[in-house]
Amino acid sequence: AQSVTQPDIHITVSEGASLELRCNYSYGATPYLFWYVQSPGQGLQLLLKYFSGDTLVQGIKGFEAEFKRSQSSFNLRKPSVHWSDAAEYFCAVGLNDYKLSFGAGTTVTVRA
Amino acid sequence: EAGVAQSPRYKIIEKRQSVAFWCNPISGHATLYWYQQILGQGPKLLIQFQNNGVVDDSQLPKDRFSAERLKGVDSTLKIQPAKLEDSAVYLCASSSPPTVAKNIQYFGAGTRLSVL
Repeated sequence: AQSVTQPDIHITVSEGASLELRCNYSYGATPYLFWYVQSPGQGLQLLLKYFSGDTLVQGIKGFEAEFKRSQSSFNLRKPSVHWSDAAEYFCAVGLNDYKLSFGAGTTVTVRA
Repeated sequence: EAGVAQSPRYKIIEKRQSVAFWCNPISGHATLYWYQQILGQGPKLLIQFQNNGVVDDSQLPKDRFSAERLKGVDSTLKIQPAKLEDSAVYLCASSSPPTVAKNIQYFGAGTRLSVL
């Protein structure tokens, strides 16, 4: 069965420091991969997506993610976090039937 | 372009009561999804519509949950009777994918349900 694992439940990072969120997937073929962000009381906003081609994907708000087939990973990175990046981040796998399967999420706290 | 609209934003009910949520997708989006997001978990798909037909409702607890999408636009999700474990955020999303690879789902702000 397809699954998405986000190993880190909670990450605390200082403002201005770099951030990396891990995502691993289990899927029979190369999936379509997404990162969404959810701010408190808000719906999910798409940060970036990977369909094919260049394995380093640029997204909004200064985020990027790298697809590594050999590791079944799609980790999200940001070189310098801002206090407004405090939120919950979800990795998702897009399946052939148009459905999304989400990980459990990683909560990011930004300290001054 | 207007986003996905959901109402109400918050709802508090007692167990065994009924509740309904409403969703208006982005104009022109043929596919509509309802997700349940329990605290500390990722969203879980409950039901997927293509126009006004159900594509997948395998995860919908049909003994208490129902959903409809009349005329292929707005949708309502109902719970009757509610249980304590139904406390969650109910998210609606819509998409208009020309292909599976381009299936970008856009989410509403959700309805937070508390069952007491």
